Amino acid sequence: NAGVTQTPKFQVLKTGQSMTLQCAQDMNHEYMSWYRQDPGMGLRLIHYSVGAGITDQGEVPNGYNVSRSTTEDFPLRLLSAAPSQTSVYFCASSRTGSNQPQHFGDGTRLSIL
Amino acid sequence: AQTVTQSQPEMSVQEAETVTLSCTYDTSESDYYLFWYKQPPSRQMILVIRQEAYKQQNATENRFSVNFQKAAKSFSLKISDSQLGDAAMYFCAYRSVRGGGADGLTFGKGTHLIIQP
Repeated sequence: NAGVTQTPKFQVLKTGQSMTLQCAQDMNHEYMSWYRQDPGMGLRLIHYSVGAGITDQGEVPNGYNVSRSTTEDFPLRLLSAAPSQTSVYFCASSRTGSNQPQHFGDGTRLSIL
Repeated sequence: AQTVTQSQPEMSVQEAETVTLSCTYDTSESDYYLFWYKQPPSRQMILVIRQEAYKQQNATENRFSVNFQKAAKSFSLKISDSQLGDAAMYFCAYRSVRGGGADGLTFGKGTHLIIQP
């Protein structure tokens, strides 16, 4: 049971480049989320999804797009990378219900030069 | 919007001793869930313990326990018999019941726990 799988683990981009961070879960979880973690800031919610075809914005959505075509996958797209998007990105999933703990991937460290 | 505050950026404790990490939160909701997550240098996010706001009994998981004071909006984590493997960043997090908690967690900024051998 792989849980939540994020790829790649590390990536360096140049300003203006685009890329997609991949996230897949094999637990049949309805809820999926993307967070970014910056030094001294904790984790902040970027986008989330309650199921296939349904997404919504979190606290810091600007510069990021998401889609959810299947229950398993929830990719995060940076259309035009900026240095301010240098961060560690975490994908998480959970069953429906507020009492359900979120399961996190191992994170992607992204550097924008 | 909810906010979570961890006022201790760093804490240090001797191995085998007890340490308490503080967390306060602000919300207008009456029902919610609170969590403590551990993040070791490996970067993994590991659930330590969770508390349901409508339950008065404090949650306990082996050496980890919480002191949940709903009126004071306080949710501290006590680690007993500290071990070297407890060294990590610890994050306090809030989850609303609104919308079934679909909009994820609100995190504090974290406390870096150092274990002195």
